[in-house]
Amino acid sequence: GAGVSQSPSNKVTEKGKDVELRCDPISGHTALYWYRQRLGQGLEFLIYFQGNSAPDKSGLPSDRFSAERTGESVSTLTIQRTQQEDSAVYLCASSPNYSKHYEQYFGPGTRLTVT
Amino acid sequence: DAKTTQPPSMDCAEGRAANLPCNHSTISGNEYVYWYRQIHSQGPQYIIHGLKNNETNEMASLIITEDRKSSTLILPHATLRDTAVYYCIGRSYNTDKLIFGTGTRLQVFP
Repeated sequence: GAGVSQSPSNKVTEKGKDVELRCDPISGHTALYWYRQRLGQGLEFLIYFQGNSAPDKSGLPSDRFSAERTGESVSTLTIQRTQQEDSAVYLCASSPNYSKHYEQYFGPGTRLTVT
Repeated sequence: DAKTTQPPSMDCAEGRAANLPCNHSTISGNEYVYWYRQIHSQGPQYIIHGLKNNETNEMASLIITEDRKSSTLILPHATLRDTAVYYCIGRSYNTDKLIFGTGTRLQVFP
């Protein structure tokens, strides 16, 4: 079946502009995660959605970052007033029901470049 | 979540077993050890996880020491396509976010 998809695959934006990144999780997956990966580094957790529960936003680096999810489907990550340090690959992952939450399925990522 | 320590890089000849170590000396009793890998320009891929017993699946084996302070991921017959960064992650069963370190960059050579 279809995996996690993300769009756009690449985004170049000017400093100060807002960007919106999209994630389509695997159908039926209740959990959705956003991570950031800077060049040559490991993944940083950003935010987590689980069903109708309040999202875990503990990893968002600043109030310029926000994310939404509609039910158990699409999620968007919004970065306002982008800065050069926001340049990274943004990865989305989804996970099936709670009993298997350890297995996260990752999308290919969106490479964001802020000039 | 337990802090994990891995060597930054390793080499392995194609067809040989790749043994990737991970130290997690601060792991607590309810924390699982997870392994993911990330092939260049792709998202991470789940490999295996365990608590205290050794585990095996179609991708790899996981050997956890009796004191649970370290573990080894074994790829029994490494191929060139196994070249990737391998992440060892310690996580409580009730915590849903993965905390990735910098991992081990495994290079499989012909």
